[in-house]
Amino acid sequence: RKEVEQDPGPFNVPEGATVAFNCTYSNSASQSFFWYRQDCRKEPKLLMSVYSSGNEDGRFTAQLNRASQYISLLIRDSKLSDSATYLCVVNPISGNTPLVFGKGTRLSVIA
Amino acid sequence: EPEVTQTPSHQVTQMGQEVILRCVPISNHLYFYWYRQILGQKVEFLVSFYNNEISEKSEIFDDQFSVERPDGSNFTLKIRSTKLEDSAMYFCASSGSLAGDKETQYFGPGTRLLVL
Repeated sequence: RKEVEQDPGPFNVPEGATVAFNCTYSNSASQSFFWYRQDCRKEPKLLMSVYSSGNEDGRFTAQLNRASQYISLLIRDSKLSDSATYLCVVNPISGNTPLVFGKGTRLSVIA
Repeated sequence: EPEVTQTPSHQVTQMGQEVILRCVPISNHLYFYWYRQILGQKVEFLVSFYNNEISEKSEIFDDQFSVERPDGSNFTLKIRSTKLEDSAMYFCASSGSLAGDKETQYFGPGTRLLVL
């Protein structure tokens, strides 16, 4: 199974900052892309799916560049509660099939 | 909001012992998964299950592992003879709602397994 690569961080940013995470995937045939959030010793929780045209959900914006096999997540106006590990996740095959996880990028938002 | 549940939350066992990890997937989901996460490592796929049979398994899922859906609600992972390297967090997930979101995988809170 091909890999998903992320900068492990940690990213330490002050409240209100804008922070961006990047991810690359090696399987060019990959179909679906997601950002999950994982708090310490907790389960991954879906933050947002990533669509080809890019998508936004409040302070969060996700972008996909299929040609470069690159996914990004932008968080604006960081809150203390955004502190977590952000997992880049790829589904190589469309549908209900196994996910491939990156190791995650840790974010600490500091007051 | 429906959620995946798992029991126990923590399990400590001796090397060579059998353990059974239990999961109750979201009730209208059709696809079930087990993943594991060794401390400090990435989440790794173990096995997927659909229509009462294994649909895919990884190289990690060797003969020591088995899965079962003994009734209409539970989904179990059995490790027959645990090894030290089986120590990890084991996550159950489900997907495939008949209505609405058909592909998103929802994860349970995990079982932390420690093999001594």
